[in-house]
Amino acid sequence: DAKTTQPPSMDCAEGRAANLPCNHSTISGNEYVYWYRQIHSQGPQYIIHGLKNNETNEMASLIITEDRKSSTLILPHATLRDTAVYYCIVRAVTTSGTYKYIFGTGTRLKVLA
Amino acid sequence: DVKVTQSSRYLVKRTGEKVFLECVQDMDHENMFWYRQDPGLGLRLIYFSYDVKMKEKGDIPEGYSVSREKKERFSLILESASTNQTSMYLCASSLGSYNSPLHFGNGTRLTVT
Repeated sequence: DAKTTQPPSMDCAEGRAANLPCNHSTISGNEYVYWYRQIHSQGPQYIIHGLKNNETNEMASLIITEDRKSSTLILPHATLRDTAVYYCIVRAVTTSGTYKYIFGTGTRLKVLA
Repeated sequence: DVKVTQSSRYLVKRTGEKVFLECVQDMDHENMFWYRQDPGLGLRLIYFSYDVKMKEKGDIPEGYSVSREKKERFSLILESASTNQTSMYLCASSLGSYNSPLHFGNGTRLTVT
């Protein structure tokens, strides 16, 4: 199964872009990369996902390298409410042909006023 | 919006008790998942189900079982609760399509004494 590696913590100044990296060097060709965030005492919230093209939505942008071995989640103008744990996960195909989502330990982002 | 509802926010049980954690989703999703979350270990997959009455073991199924009699409901069962099963339990669901993201409930914090 493909695994993801993220830095354990990062700080970002309010109003600046937060760039959260993720390494997924063992990802295979048909595995998507998903990003979630978790605010204390809540369930993880979906942010964005992609396969090989860069993606953007109202919350964030996702940049995936050409070799697909790493990606970066970009929060363009971080606010205090973006303080959370961010998870980069890969969806893998199981031996039975179903899918499972593999979580790492995430990056704790702290946005500073 | 997809809603995933977990029946209890907090639960305290005694060692040896049989414990049921219930999860209901309202968006006709084919796939449902149970994770546990522990400090420093991230989210770990216990069991998942891709159809009614179908189930598949995740990464840490020992000591747990599941039931999915109806599409909208996925139950996690601790046959004989132990203190090492004290944890945050998170339920999630997704469509069966190839790139559908997970939608999480807000979790059940289970304490086994």
